[in-house]
Amino acid sequence: AQRVTQPEKLLSVFKGAPVELKCNYSYSGSPELFWYVQYSRQRLQLLLRHISRESIKGFTADLNKGETSFHLKKPFAQEEDSAMYYCALQTGANNLFFGTGTRLTVIP
Amino acid sequence: GAGVSQSPSNKVTEKGKDVELRCDPISGHTALYWYRQRLGQGLEFLIYFQGNSAPDKSGLPSDRFSAERTGESVSTLTIQRTQQEDSAVYLCASSPGRTSVPDTQYFGPGTRLTVL
Repeated sequence: AQRVTQPEKLLSVFKGAPVELKCNYSYSGSPELFWYVQYSRQRLQLLLRHISRESIKGFTADLNKGETSFHLKKPFAQEEDSAMYYCALQTGANNLFFGTGTRLTVIP
Repeated sequence: GAGVSQSPSNKVTEKGKDVELRCDPISGHTALYWYRQRLGQGLEFLIYFQGNSAPDKSGLPSDRFSAERTGESVSTLTIQRTQQEDSAVYLCASSPGRTSVPDTQYFGPGTRLTVL
C-alpha cells in the first residue's frame, strides 16, 4: 500500500540556517512525488515536483529511490519560508497520498 | 483567472443532520478531488472524478459519504447523519486531467465542518 511519512511535526530553524524537511514513501510502482506548501491564511499550493527537477524559492528535493526518500532542502532559510509543508505521492490513478505535514518555523 | 472555490467556508451542524459541501473547480479542469483533513492529521483522499469516467470512491470512509459531479463543473460532497468524527476541513482540488504526465492539483480554501 502507498504511504508517505513525514517524521517531524514541527521544525524550527534560525534565519540563514540550512533546513531539511524529511519525507519517506512506500510504493511498489514508479513514484511521482511532490511537495505542497500552505502559508498562513493561504490555500494549499504546489511547491515543486520531482519530475521537473526544479528549484522553487531556493528549495530543492531529490528523489532517492534506494532510501525511498524525497527530502526538501534549502541552504539558507528565510522568515517567509515559515509554513506547513506536505510531501505527497501520486499514483497512476492521479490520487495524491499526503504525509501528515511538517510545520516549519524560521526564527528571526 | 479564478481558482477553485468552495462553499460554505465554515459549517456548524448538529450530530445526525445532513450536510452538503460545494466545490467549483477551475474552468476546463476535467479532474476533481475531495480530501479530508482532521485536526493534526494529513490530508485523506476521499473521491476522484475524471471527466465522464466512473468516479474513484475508494477513499470514502462510509456509506454516509457521497459525492456528485455534473459534467466537468460543480461537485457536491454530501455527508448524511453526521457524526462528531466527521469534523474536519474538507478540501477540494481540481487539475487539468492529463494522464501522460503527473498532474498538478489546485486546491480550494476548504470548508471547515464542525459537528456538535
